[in-house]
Amino acid sequence: DAGVIQSPRHEVTEMGQEVTLRCKPISGHNSLFWYRQTMMRGLELLIYFNNNVPIDDSGMPEDRFSAKMPNASFSTLKIQPSEPRDSAVYFCASSLQGDYGYTFGSGTRLTVV
Amino acid sequence: RKEVEQDPGPFNVPEGATVAFNCTYSNSASQSFFWYRQDCRKEPKLLMSVYSSGNEDGRFTAQLNRASQYISLLIRDSKLSDSATYLCVVNRGGSYIPTFGRGTSLIVHP
Repeated sequence: DAGVIQSPRHEVTEMGQEVTLRCKPISGHNSLFWYRQTMMRGLELLIYFNNNVPIDDSGMPEDRFSAKMPNASFSTLKIQPSEPRDSAVYFCASSLQGDYGYTFGSGTRLTVV
Repeated sequence: RKEVEQDPGPFNVPEGATVAFNCTYSNSASQSFFWYRQDCRKEPKLLMSVYSSGNEDGRFTAQLNRASQYISLLIRDSKLSDSATYLCVVNRGGSYIPTFGRGTSLIVHP
């Protein structure tokens, strides 16, 4: 298995632009998580999907952030408009029910200038 | 009280030393516990699950103390390659939603 695949690996964008991050979970996993990691705040859960349905989005910072999971093999996290404080590493992780741990993608390092 | 708390360290130890990390959690209903390892500029990777009876994987031993609401990780015979940040993970009670601690930094020197 190729693991959790995220794209792009790096993204540099100007403030105000739209940013779309992509994630392909491990085949057969039914849970998907989007995390943001910064030095100041560590790993923060943004949103959790189970069987493609958003279950908990209480960690989404504000309306500028949105996430979708149109099918079991694809999810997107969109930031519109982006701001410099959104600069962070964004990780996607998937799991099977969660009792067996979570597999992370390599992350997207986002820089908003 | 934070959901999951860890001493950030760094723990600076010589090769061959034994080192232990603790992690406390606030939700007594939590059922699943893990230790993850994260290398610099890499993604977190599962090191081991933590079971109620305690479990061992080579040089690594994990323990759970439900009464005091903490988990621990013991590393014996430390290697240079063990240098990393160790993240404690606790599922929110009654769910599969994981909460990560801020991590404990370990530096193993020659």
